[in-house]
Amino acid sequence: DQQVKQNSPSLSVQEGRISILNCDYTNSMFDYFLWYKKYPAEGPTFLISISSIKDKNEDGRFTVFLNKSAKHLSLHIVPSQPGDSAVYFCATALAGNNRKLIWGLGTSLAVNP
Amino acid sequence: DVKVTQSSRYLVKRTGEKVFLECVQDMDHENMFWYRQDPGLGLRLIYFSYDVKMKEKGDIPEGYSVSREKKERFSLILESASTNQTSMYLCASSLTVSYNSPLHFGNGTRLTVT
Repeated sequence: DQQVKQNSPSLSVQEGRISILNCDYTNSMFDYFLWYKKYPAEGPTFLISISSIKDKNEDGRFTVFLNKSAKHLSLHIVPSQPGDSAVYFCATALAGNNRKLIWGLGTSLAVNP
Repeated sequence: DVKVTQSSRYLVKRTGEKVFLECVQDMDHENMFWYRQDPGLGLRLIYFSYDVKMKEKGDIPEGYSVSREKKERFSLILESASTNQTSMYLCASSLTVSYNSPLHFGNGTRLTVT
């Protein structure tokens, strides 16, 4: 059973608009979360992380929001650009340790010019 | 920039063959990982190494072994390849094991076992 769920396999947005990618998790003990981005024919690359002591972390156009009570996090990309078209993976790091990452299945984002 | 290089992009092997997947990183990272990625199952950790000759089993180590004789090189070995090991294999490295020490991935090896 998936412990980290990305319920939308795909998402399409217009260039310049906001992209919102969602992730739900099952275990309230999870307290470190990460987003990775993957282009075709490449490995995933780290995007942004958040620990549960925060509810928001921002890096340029990318912001991650964490709602612990709902066991939900989201990645906002504003404004979206065609180069953001990729698969986005949500993951949680058990015990704050990157040896034990639990990954979602990914959401494929298409940003249309 | 960290570079993680996987020696083959595509590999086709026969059932029962011994298969070596090679991975080299150029940033003196202590930690290296082997994952496989399958549709509907996502990324799953096969093995992890935290130092030369040191290894830990991941979530799905059965049918695999690893070798780390030098810090920069981490090999995944399929002792007797089977069709259920057809998959995309991803190698990664990281500086520390902290959650905010990013994993740097190679571009993957797509292995087909026939």
